[in-house]
Amino acid sequence: GAGVSQSPSNKVTEKGKDVELRCDPISGHTALYWYRQSLGQGLEFLIYFQGNSAPDKSGLPSDRFSAERTGGSVSTLTIQRTQQEDSAVYLCASRRMGGNTEAFFGQGTRLTVV
Amino acid sequence: AQSVSQHNHHVILSEAASLELGCNYSYGGTVNLFWYVQYPGQHLQLLLKYFSGDPLVKGIKGFEAEFIKSKFSFNLRKPSVQWSDTAEYFCLTQGGSARQLTFGSGTQLTVLP
Repeated sequence: GAGVSQSPSNKVTEKGKDVELRCDPISGHTALYWYRQSLGQGLEFLIYFQGNSAPDKSGLPSDRFSAERTGGSVSTLTIQRTQQEDSAVYLCASRRMGGNTEAFFGQGTRLTVV
Repeated sequence: AQSVSQHNHHVILSEAASLELGCNYSYGGTVNLFWYVQYPGQHLQLLLKYFSGDPLVKGIKGFEAEFIKSKFSFNLRKPSVQWSDTAEYFCLTQGGSARQLTFGSGTQLTVLP
């Protein structure tokens, strides 16, 4: 594809429900990042995948958050038992490794927990 | 841990004014440096990047940034802003063994017509 694709673009869910957010990175990009952008706050790192290496999960805010990346391509971020403070824009980025390269960002998924 | 500071949270300028947005980072080793821009309703886009070489880098839309290693800074500049430059600007670093990209808190630029 031409860029990083995220779906859905908007998601409204009830407190306590589980949600899955999807990211399709640019083909051939082995590095994939998830960030969270909350109103009035900066961009918060969540998790990083690089090829077949163990992901860097150091940014996940609680054990309600998890992510996987299947086949080194598509990634899914899952939030269980959503809370109102989970409301934010969730951004995915991918990057080609093997040199100095920049990250390409998706348009994000706006999650609203009501 | 790496950190990135953007001291200007909101900058308001008139068209044709000059712009300088500050960015300071904490990592002492080799870093890659980026400025990204997020126009209203759009995704983050790369403005410019620095990996090595000439510390003055030029990006799209007339933007430039200067890497000053001794000051741990990578300030963004534009000699004459336009109304269409209204957006949020983010400084990012990626350095050493840190695989993640570290964001600054962002600067909201408003250019008045």
